[in-house]
Amino acid sequence: QVQLVESGGGVVQPGKSLKLSCAASGFTFSSYDMHWVRQAPGKGLEWVAFMSRDGTNKYHADSVKGRFTISRDNSKNTLYLQMNSLRPEDTAVYYCAKKGSGSYFGYFQNWGQGSLVTVSS
Amino acid sequence: NFMLTQPHSVSESPGKTITISCTGSSGSIASNYVQWYQQRPGSAPTTVIFEDKLRPSGVPDRFSGSIDSPSNSASLTISGLKTEDEADYYCQSYDSSNHWVFGGGTKLTVL
Repeated sequence: QVQLVESGGGVVQPGKSLKLSCAASGFTFSSYDMHWVRQAPGKGLEWVAFMSRDGTNKYHADSVKGRFTISRDNSKNTLYLQMNSLRPEDTAVYYCAKKGSGSYFGYFQNWGQGSLVTVSS
Repeated sequence: NFMLTQPHSVSESPGKTITISCTGSSGSIASNYVQWYQQRPGSAPTTVIFEDKLRPSGVPDRFSGSIDSPSNSASLTISGLKTEDEADYYCQSYDSSNHWVFGGGTKLTVL
């Protein structure tokens, strides 16, 4: 059974940094591309970042490019999101998601329960 | 930038059929797959349709997806509505810049 468990969220001041983790189990983590998706309070879903299974390809949404960095450690079955220069508009629940399907872009097959990040002074 | 537009809300009675639309802003929506996700209050999203019309195991066949090229839109149809179908529904596809795109979401009320 696929499990994705996010951690590392909390309250942080604007301009500070935070690192989220997503612990994966129930599947061969190193064989799957992974994503981060966020949802601001009362708002819709927003894709944040993607990393390929071997870490060679990664893409970030324009809204976070240059501030957030996705990474992974396949030896620890863990996905990360390093968030720097945080802004109030980054306040959201952050979900990690496992890519499904063999197609190039795939889809968000499995989701974690999310980790809340609140950026406030 | 490529955008997907959904109605903000829809409502229908139990047992009826409802269709939620998702319109692409440019290009052909048929050129990339469209997915649909269901999100109940307080829960993470789950996939109800992937690759335009495929259902993950466990999703009832009351849920179906389709593409209409002339209107550049995708649709999620739910038949035999149940109160448990009440949720937010999001369509999702991709743009040409290796970016994944979500629609704004549609709140389905079953009353």
